[in-house]
Amino acid sequence: NAGVMQNPRHLVRRRGQEARLRCSPMKGHSHVYWYRQLPEEGLKFMVYLQKENIIDESGMPKERFSAEFPKEGPSILRIQQVVRGDSAAYFCASSEAGGSQSYEQYFGPGTRLTVT
Amino acid sequence: DQQVKQNSPSLSVQEGRISILNCDYTNSMFDYFLWYKKYPAEGPTFLISISSIKDKNEDGRFTVFLNKSAKHLSLHIVPSQPGDSAVYFCAASQGSSNTGKLIFGQGTTLQVKP
Repeated sequence: NAGVMQNPRHLVRRRGQEARLRCSPMKGHSHVYWYRQLPEEGLKFMVYLQKENIIDESGMPKERFSAEFPKEGPSILRIQQVVRGDSAAYFCASSEAGGSQSYEQYFGPGTRLTVT
Repeated sequence: DQQVKQNSPSLSVQEGRISILNCDYTNSMFDYFLWYKKYPAEGPTFLISISSIKDKNEDGRFTVFLNKSAKHLSLHIVPSQPGDSAVYFCAASQGSSNTGKLIFGQGTTLQVKP
């Protein structure tokens, strides 16, 4: 009974490079959420996706960040032209139900992005 | 604008005693509250939740209390065990918004001493 899987667990990028973070939800879950945790802070919502649809991206920075959840394969969070301020832990969560019933979200282990 | 606040960054208790973690919120539209536990280098693990129509929910050693008038919730762990040492986050959701967005507090680091 695999949980939410994220890879890579650690990612180092130089300023200006692209970062791709992958998330496979729990079996049977079709709702995916991305959160970011900066040092010494709580988790901040970024985006909520269903298969092939972005439902809520109100927490995503307007530039350089994008997310997708294709019909086949994992959800991808893409950060273009990374800057040092993007260094953080990025967590993916999934839930079986969505919208108002999506309360209990199950989190992956996170990807720790370091920008040098 | 911090809508969910955990004002105590850390808490230390003796094994066997009660741990009380507190959380305050400002948005009266929140209707579901959750507690997550997080170990270093791992993702948050769901612990317990409560709907705004209730004022208490209990699961084993964990009990969550909700005071809507004060916009305050607390997590009680009794008896506390060394394995409970972790960072605890409270989170809130607004079901009527039809989005799964969870708003997290900053976290409280609990240390349970043997």
